[in-house]
Amino acid sequence: KAGVTQTPRYLIKTRGQQVTLSCSPISGHRSVSWYQQTPGQGLQFLFEYFSETQRNKGNFPGRFSGRQFSNSRSEMNVSTLELGDSALYLCASSRAGGEGETQYFGPGTRLLVL
Amino acid sequence: AQKITQTQPGMFVQEKEAVTLDCTYDTSDPSYGLFWYKQPSSGEMIFLIYQGSYDQQNATEGRYSLNFQKARKSANLVISASQLGDSAMYFCAMRERGYSSASKIIFGSGTRLSIRP
Repeated sequence: KAGVTQTPRYLIKTRGQQVTLSCSPISGHRSVSWYQQTPGQGLQFLFEYFSETQRNKGNFPGRFSGRQFSNSRSEMNVSTLELGDSALYLCASSRAGGEGETQYFGPGTRLLVL
Repeated sequence: AQKITQTQPGMFVQEKEAVTLDCTYDTSDPSYGLFWYKQPSSGEMIFLIYQGSYDQQNATEGRYSLNFQKARKSANLVISASQLGDSAMYFCAMRERGYSSASKIIFGSGTRLSIRP
């Protein structure tokens, strides 16, 4: 069974640009969550999508947005990039997002903002 | 509010020794799940072990076991017979049921484990 895939794996952007990251969950998984990991803030929850609806959101500015498609693939978008957006962005999937369900993570996308 | 605390920023352990990584949590929800993940330098988060709040027995997965003490709100990870490949960051995480179908998983700050040959 294929795992969670994320594209691209590495990305370099400049301040003010926007970026779109993609995540394909494990087959059969309908819940997709996004996390930002930085050395200073650690792992922080961005948002979760289930059946094309955002059902949970972390404490991030509106520049961070996402969506989920009918095949459960998800994208996240960051507009007007800032230097502080440089981070490892991790996507995780689970069947339905219940408290007993394991989230399986992708390899992440490393974003560098210059 | 839910919270996860890992008090050991870094640990050094001799190869083949057992190691315990500490994790305490705080939640008012009676139904929750506790997870441990390993993150090597490559960045990918690898699921290790899961413990449900209503589970009567401690979870075990190969060399990994979870020492779950519900009254103390602790969920320590025990790695038996450590190996060089165990060197990585280890994260404790929790997910509550919440009052709706929506629940998010939160992570502790992590413990960097280094295994000495």
